[in-house]
Amino acid sequence: EAGVAQSPRYKIIEKRQSVAFWCNPISGHATLYWYQQILGQGPKLLIQFQNNGVVDDSQLPKDRFSAERLKGVDSTLKIQPAKLEDSAVYLCASSSPWVMNTEAFFGQGTRLTVV
Amino acid sequence: AQSVTQLDSHVSVSEGTPVLLRCNYSSSYSPSLFWYVQHPNKGLQLLLKYTSAATLVKGINGFEAEFKKSETSFHLTKPSAHMSDAAEYFCVVSAPIKAAGNKLTFGGGTRVLVKP
Repeated sequence: EAGVAQSPRYKIIEKRQSVAFWCNPISGHATLYWYQQILGQGPKLLIQFQNNGVVDDSQLPKDRFSAERLKGVDSTLKIQPAKLEDSAVYLCASSSPWVMNTEAFFGQGTRLTVV
Repeated sequence: AQSVTQLDSHVSVSEGTPVLLRCNYSSSYSPSLFWYVQHPNKGLQLLLKYTSAATLVKGINGFEAEFKKSETSFHLTKPSAHMSDAAEYFCVVSAPIKAAGNKLTFGGGTRVLVKP
């Protein structure tokens, strides 16, 4: 079974530029998560999708971050404009909400450096 | 609401000695609990999970964890540390969102250093 795919693996941008990250979840997984992991901290949920609907985006800085999952499969997370404090690893994860007590499966992450 | 507290941000052990990583949680539901490991520049890998079956859970690479409801704890242990266990470990609590999957909440992480 293929895992969660993310791209790019690394990205360096200047502040005020825009950037986009892509995630392809495990086939059949209706739930998709985007997490932000700042160095030395645990992952923080940015947004959670169920198919193409948003379940939780309460911690997404909506003035600069946006995410979509138009067809309920792939997802894109965008930052515009980026700030220095957005430097972090962005993790995508997926799970099947129909399987009791199942874990989430994580991609390798995208390491963003804003200079 | 749910939360997770990992009581130690760093743990240092000698190779061959036991490892103990402490985790306390709070949840309004009867939760599922997980331990994930993250090696440098790698994704998060599931070590083990508790899902209301046996309270002592065995995972990969010799790790195990015990769920204690009265103490709201889910501590991770390994009898004998190996150099390859050097990594960051995350305790995660999961609770269902009605008809919308599960909400996952992470602890702050514990970084394990293994000395030769």
